[in-house]
Amino acid sequence: DQQVKQNSPSLSVQEGRISILNCDYTNSMFDYFLWYKKYPAEGPTFLISISSIKDKNEDGRFTVFLNKSAKHLSLHIVPSQPGDSAVYFCAASASGDDKIIFGKGTRLHILP
Amino acid sequence: DVKVTQSSRYLVKRTGEKVFLECVQDMDHENMFWYRQDPGLGLRLIYFSYDVKMKEKGDIPEGYSVSREKKERFSLILESASTNQTSMYLCASSLRAGGESPLHFGNGTRLTVT
Repeated sequence: DQQVKQNSPSLSVQEGRISILNCDYTNSMFDYFLWYKKYPAEGPTFLISISSIKDKNEDGRFTVFLNKSAKHLSLHIVPSQPGDSAVYFCAASASGDDKIIFGKGTRLHILP
Repeated sequence: DVKVTQSSRYLVKRTGEKVFLECVQDMDHENMFWYRQDPGLGLRLIYFSYDVKMKEKGDIPEGYSVSREKKERFSLILESASTNQTSMYLCASSLRAGGESPLHFGNGTRLTVT
């Protein structure tokens, strides 16, 4: 049973526009959410995170929004740049659990 | 800056061989993890370790074992490699347990079992 779902395998966005990547989760015990970015032939790198006590966290061009009632989070990238083309993984964890559960990823293409 | 080093970028092994994937981290992190990445399946946790000589099964431990004799080193062992273990293997470490301490990944080992 998939606890973290990224339902869009890929997304194409024009350079300069906003990219919105979505993630849904089913486990109500999750209280920490993370986004990772992965280029080909490299390991994922941590991008931004949010605790369940917040509904928004911002870091430069990247903002993560959390809607606990809908069990939904989204990553906004504004403005999108060519270097943002990568696979983005949503991940979640629960307090007291060492595991971090990942979604299947969304491939983002930034179009010139 | 944290560095997680995986000993091989590419490996080709035959069915039935015993395979060792090695991972070393240089930041004295407590936790280490092994994931595999497959197209359409994302990252799936195989095993993790929260201390020397301690290990816990992840979501897909079948066909794998692990060893953590020293804090900085975490090995993944395929006892008898099979073609369905062809995958990208990613090692990661974190300072503490849980999501508040982000994972730091190595660059991966692409294993092909023929």
